[in-house]
Amino acid sequence: GAGVSQSPSNKVTEKGKDVELRCDPISGHTALYWYRQSLGQGLEFLIYFQGNSAPDKSGLPSDRFSAERTGGSVSTLTIQRTQQEDSAVYLCASSQDRSNQPQHFGDGTRLSIL
Amino acid sequence: EDKVVQSPLSLVVHEGDTVTLNCSYEVTNFRSLLWYKQEKKAPTFLFMLTSSGIEKKSGRLSSILDKKELFSILNITATQTGDSAIYLCAVNSGTYKYIFGTGTRLKVLA
Repeated sequence: GAGVSQSPSNKVTEKGKDVELRCDPISGHTALYWYRQSLGQGLEFLIYFQGNSAPDKSGLPSDRFSAERTGGSVSTLTIQRTQQEDSAVYLCASSQDRSNQPQHFGDGTRLSIL
Repeated sequence: EDKVVQSPLSLVVHEGDTVTLNCSYEVTNFRSLLWYKQEKKAPTFLFMLTSSGIEKKSGRLSSILDKKELFSILNITATQTGDSAIYLCAVNSGTYKYIFGTGTRLKVLA
């Protein structure tokens, strides 16, 4: 399809395990964003990529969170030593460039930490 | 601190009713305001507003921005059950910085 693709759609894991979430943006979109959405909360910004570089990582909640993007396309968000408070929906979005363009979102990964 | 506040938090109406959703903001550097509809999964883009007083319209949905009073409204006329969703407001306050409100959960009863 032509939209933003995220995988897995659901992930259930035990506390302390590492998880890796994947985002495949719309082809040609240079800007990529990761957000976290907890129940009853708005979207919390995590990190932004322009191409392969991440100018702002300040939204990452702790050093257990990291993200990378290779080839200006696919991005992975990794959470190490997961905690129960990491349970949320992780949304990825992409847009054409940095100028004032609307973001297009994927369906998200629902992460549940037992 | 930059913030976006949406009201009401939730709303229940009957089919055919008209609803108005509110979004107010306080940001240091305003570039645009965006509305999204989130049903089950991905938020889908509705409108982007950059100028005051110019209404954006798409079918039964319309939106307008007031940059002096720092708010926007989203109107939905003749509501249908398919309009049931969370409506998210976001403000772009920098090159990549989007601040989202917590959303308004709308339920339309048949």
